[in-house]
Amino acid sequence: QSVLTQPPSVSAAPGQKVTISCSGSSSNIGSNYVSWYQQLPGTAPKLLIYENNKRPSGIPDRFSGSKSGTSATLGITGLQTGDEADYYCGTWDSSLSADVFGGGTRLTVL
Amino acid sequence: QVQLVESGGGVVQPGGSLRLSCAASGFTFTTYGMHWVRQAPGKGLEWVAFIRYDGSNTDCADSVKGRFTISRDNSKNTLYLQMNSLRSEDTAVYYCAKDLRRYNSGCLDEWGQGTLVTVSS
Repeated sequence: QSVLTQPPSVSAAPGQKVTISCSGSSSNIGSNYVSWYQQLPGTAPKLLIYENNKRPSGIPDRFSGSKSGTSATLGITGLQTGDEADYYCGTWDSSLSADVFGGGTRLTVL
Repeated sequence: QVQLVESGGGVVQPGGSLRLSCAASGFTFTTYGMHWVRQAPGKGLEWVAFIRYDGSNTDCADSVKGRFTISRDNSKNTLYLQMNSLRSEDTAVYYCAKDLRRYNSGCLDEWGQGTLVTVSS
């Protein structure tokens, strides 16, 4: 059971928009920055969003992040088949003194 | 560009030991914190351990506390994970990852390709 809760899967058609939620508590999301990672099949994770809503260089603006209270959301617009991947949220948990990840969400682009 | 190259994985018997290495290049290794993260087959990401830029402080997950030790050699731009008393549940791909900051910011901005550790008799 992960400290951060994500839906196991989401799906949408090419060109559409999808959102992935990440729910936590006051000791993690509620008091620390959230990051989002993309893991394409058979590859290492890659940073998509950091400090709740910032994109690293090279990440298209189709990807966005937001945070409200103890929840965070990843948004992806203009879905492409190449976006099919597992997506993870992550943050620091002040009570556990540990980095924590969500269980991951598999995105299917139908 | 940033490169993180893990090595040292393999098959080990339960109760055995293994040392993983991560060779870093393309950035100033001495000014960033570093992490180990693992992923069991078909499962999600699990944070394992962190070390500050100068090695002055470390954190690790409860699941590996007392068995795994993270360390770094800044003169060699290399990160290590010493794994002792290995269990079957430690079987996973182990990733080396760079932190965004000198301290543990909770953001891992660069990842290696991973090395597979299999604990089996």
